[in-house]
Amino acid sequence: DVKVTQSSRYLVKRTGEKVFLECVQDMDHENMFWYRQDPGLGLRLIYFSYDVKMKEKGDIPEGYSVSREKKERFSLILESASTNQTSMYLCASLQRNTDTQYFGPGTRLTVL
Amino acid sequence: AQKITQTQPGMFVQEKEAVTLDCTYDTSDQSYGLFWYKQPSSGEMIFLIYQGSYDEQNATEGRYSLNFQKARKSANLVISASQLGDSAMYFCAMTPNNFNKFYFGSGTKLNVKP
Repeated sequence: DVKVTQSSRYLVKRTGEKVFLECVQDMDHENMFWYRQDPGLGLRLIYFSYDVKMKEKGDIPEGYSVSREKKERFSLILESASTNQTSMYLCASLQRNTDTQYFGPGTRLTVL
Repeated sequence: AQKITQTQPGMFVQEKEAVTLDCTYDTSDQSYGLFWYKQPSSGEMIFLIYQGSYDEQNATEGRYSLNFQKARKSANLVISASQLGDSAMYFCAMTPNNFNKFYFGSGTKLNVKP
């Protein structure tokens, strides 16, 4: 079974703090993704990566950066957290032979 | 630009009945993939079913089937014989041929009544 894990289920941070969200997959997938989920808006793509050290902006990259130093790990970084970044963050990795994304359990981030 | 539209924010269905969740999409790509995901209250996203744009037959997975109408650009999910455990949010998604980006609809919250 594919397993995607995220470092925290719940996180509370203060405005201006630097925040790291970690995602790890155990299936040697090349493509990994970070989304945020907000009520009524569905999932919106922040960044994705198609290989180590390779990244591309999604639809809402402003205020975020990412790091992919190892194939299994894809990190989302909020350089200076703001209250409008309070959201559910979902990581996913793609199994290419079935064209299926597998998601982690999500991190609910609250920025005070 | 790619766009996914789910027009039903919430739906109710009686247990054991069938239900259709609507999804329309907008793309200029000739080759693309369509997906449905289920998100229970626990939050995890569960893959349900996939349809490729060149697949001539509608995809089926157990009680789930995807009613794919390419000319209308619709990809409705049909759940047969609803169960209480089907109560969840359902998301329609699309990816262009390169599978580097996935686009999601806003979701439909399904409630199955006993």
